[in-house]
Amino acid sequence: QMQLQGSGPRLAKPSGTLSLTCAVSGGSISSDWWTWVRQPPGKGLEWIGEISDSGKSNYNPSLESRVTISIDRPNNQFSLKLNSVTAADTAVYYCARASNKVLDPWGQGTLATVSS
Amino acid sequence: EIVLTQSPGTLSLSPGERATLSCRASQSVSNNYLAWYQQKPGQAPRLLIYGASSRATGIPDRFSGSGSGTDFTLTINRLEPEDFAVYYCQQFGGSPKYTFGQGTKLEI
Repeated sequence: QMQLQGSGPRLAKPSGTLSLTCAVSGGSISSDWWTWVRQPPGKGLEWIGEISDSGKSNYNPSLESRVTISIDRPNNQFSLKLNSVTAADTAVYYCARASNKVLDPWGQGTLATVSS
Repeated sequence: EIVLTQSPGTLSLSPGERATLSCRASQSVSNNYLAWYQQKPGQAPRLLIYGASSRATGIPDRFSGSGSGTDFTLTINRLEPEDFAVYYCQQFGGSPKYTFGQGTKLEI
C-alpha cells in the first residue's frame, strides 16, 4: 500500500524559504502526478501545485510566483520550496498523489511555522 | 476559478441519523470531477467519493454521493460515532486545477 511521508524544517523566518520533501513508499513515483496542499490552523484546504513524473508542473496562480515543486525519481520523492514567506504561510503542509482527478493517498502533514 | 460553497457550515446530528451535506459550484464541474473527503482532528483528509458518486476503496456503503453540474450531495446513512468529522468537497478542472469547499463540520 502506497504511503507518503513529509519531512523538513518546521520553522522558517519571515522573507525566507520554506522547504519540504515528501518520500513515497510502496509504489513508484514514476507515474501519476504529485501534489502539495496546505491548511492554515483552523481553516480549509488550499491546493499549492503539482508535478508529473516527467517533471511538468502546475501551480495555483495565487502562489505561482513563489513556489517551486521538483521531483527526485532516483530517491522516489518530491519537494516543495516556497519563497518570501510570511506569517500567512503558516500551515500544515500535506503531500498527496493526484490520480484520476482526486488526491489519494495523503501524507500525514507537516506543520510549518513562519516566525522570527 | 470554480468556487465551491458547502452548506451547512455545521450540522448537528445523533448517531443513527442521516446526514445530508451540500456542495454547490459557481460553474459547472467538468465531467462531474467532484470528490468528497473526510478529515478528523490531527489527521490528513481521506478520500470518500470520486466522480461525484463512486465510493473509494474501503469506504462503507452508508456513504453515498450524488449530483451533477453545479449541485452535489454527500449522504451518510445511519451515522456512526466515527463519522463525526469535517467534510470537504473538491473539484478538478480550470485554474487552479483543484479547489476545495470551505468544509462542513458534522458534530454530535
